[in-house]
Amino acid sequence: DIMLTQSPATLSVTPGESISLSCRASQSISTNLHWYQQKPNESPRVLIKYASQTISGIPSRFSGSGSGTDFTLNINRVEPEDFSVYYCQQSNSWPRTFGAGTKLELK
Amino acid sequence: EVQLVESGGGLVQPGRSLKLSCAASGFTFSNYYMAWVRQAPKKGLEWVATISTSGSRTYYPDSVKGRFTISRDNAKSSLYLQMNSLKSEDTATYYCARGYYDGYYHSYYFDYWGQGVMVTVSS
Repeated sequence: DIMLTQSPATLSVTPGESISLSCRASQSISTNLHWYQQKPNESPRVLIKYASQTISGIPSRFSGSGSGTDFTLNINRVEPEDFSVYYCQQSNSWPRTFGAGTKLELK
Repeated sequence: EVQLVESGGGLVQPGRSLKLSCAASGFTFSNYYMAWVRQAPKKGLEWVATISTSGSRTYYPDSVKGRFTISRDNAKSSLYLQMNSLKSEDTATYYCARGYYDGYYHSYYFDYWGQGVMVTVSS
């Protein structure tokens, strides 16, 4: 199984800061990596597909990069509504796996 | 508007069975892979099952293989998850999710999610 390691587990930031979240795969997954955001008591929603492709309706402050085993989700100037949990997920092979998540919290 | 509405959750004793349903609307159901993803209380996301467009191919992680069965009825735009021999560790919110297949990458991601349904396995 492909393990996805997200870091940090928790990130405390102030609105307006720009941040990067990491997701590292235990073996190469090309660009078959997707990012999801889950706000408290809500269902997840996709933010970025295939490592760096944007999703219609998602604010442009969210961007992704990476390939192989190292991936990054960037948030340019965090907004108050961005405080939530972020998960990465691979679709390169079975079983599909998710990272444990990074919680973005208000400093 | 795409809508996925799960139902069928509840409290069930260990070893018993439960069947979840997901009613889909707002898109051509038969054109999409579908999946179930679960989330234990205060935990992360775990993929549970995927089914192909026709239902001919199904995929499961080892944690549920042989106990859970995913199925679909394209005529009713409905997805199902039959859960047998339930364990306490199956306690979670179960989400129905649509898989958007990208032909270039030969893989899919979950582009729409339902609101989830809670399953509690306890005596």
